[in-house]
Amino acid sequence: AQKITQTQPGMFVQEKEAVTLDCTYDTSDPSYGLFWYKQPSSGEMIFLIYQGSYDQQNATEGRYSLNFQKARKSANLVISASQLGDSAMYFCAMREGMNTGFQKLVFGTGTRLLVSP
Amino acid sequence: KAGVTQTPRYLIKTRGQQVTLSCSPISGHRSVSWYQQTPGQGLQFLFEYFSETQRNKGNFPGRFSGRQFSNSRSEMNVSTLELGDSALYLCASSFSRSSSTDTQYFGPGTRLTVL
Repeated sequence: AQKITQTQPGMFVQEKEAVTLDCTYDTSDPSYGLFWYKQPSSGEMIFLIYQGSYDQQNATEGRYSLNFQKARKSANLVISASQLGDSAMYFCAMREGMNTGFQKLVFGTGTRLLVSP
Repeated sequence: KAGVTQTPRYLIKTRGQQVTLSCSPISGHRSVSWYQQTPGQGLQFLFEYFSETQRNKGNFPGRFSGRQFSNSRSEMNVSTLELGDSALYLCASSFSRSSSTDTQYFGPGTRLTVL
């Protein structure tokens, strides 16, 4: 069964520093996708970055990058140059059967990031 | 381009009542999925609708149901509400192509409180 593990309940970082949020996953499906979402206190889930299981290079989107280590089944999110507005919950999620069109996401328990001035 | 919209944003009901939540997907998106978020259980998949058909369902009782209309708008219904149904209900939409880059975009959620 597919599973996502986020072992850091909370992380604390100072503004302008980089931070890594951990995510490990478990699946037997060779075709899967890994997603990171940000959830501010308002509740809306904001898509940040995506990594496909067959992608050869690590994904990057602006200040976000994904450190994808397939053999270790890890997909850590790296936020460079943290900003106060980055304070939020961050969720790692996985979707199996990426070639089927089915959309079910399985989420981790999340990491609360607090950025201080 | 307008994002996913959900109505109402907040709802207070009492045990035993039923409730209907609405979700309008991003224009052109054909798939709508629903998730329940609670402090205890986290984010859990409820069901997915595509072309007016439910094509995947999570592990929730039959009190939770949904439908999708021809314009891709979706509703979910919870009957005989229980205290444990208090949660943030999130709707997400996507094109649902058989593509590795297909991404779900979420709405702001409906916060349901059951008293």
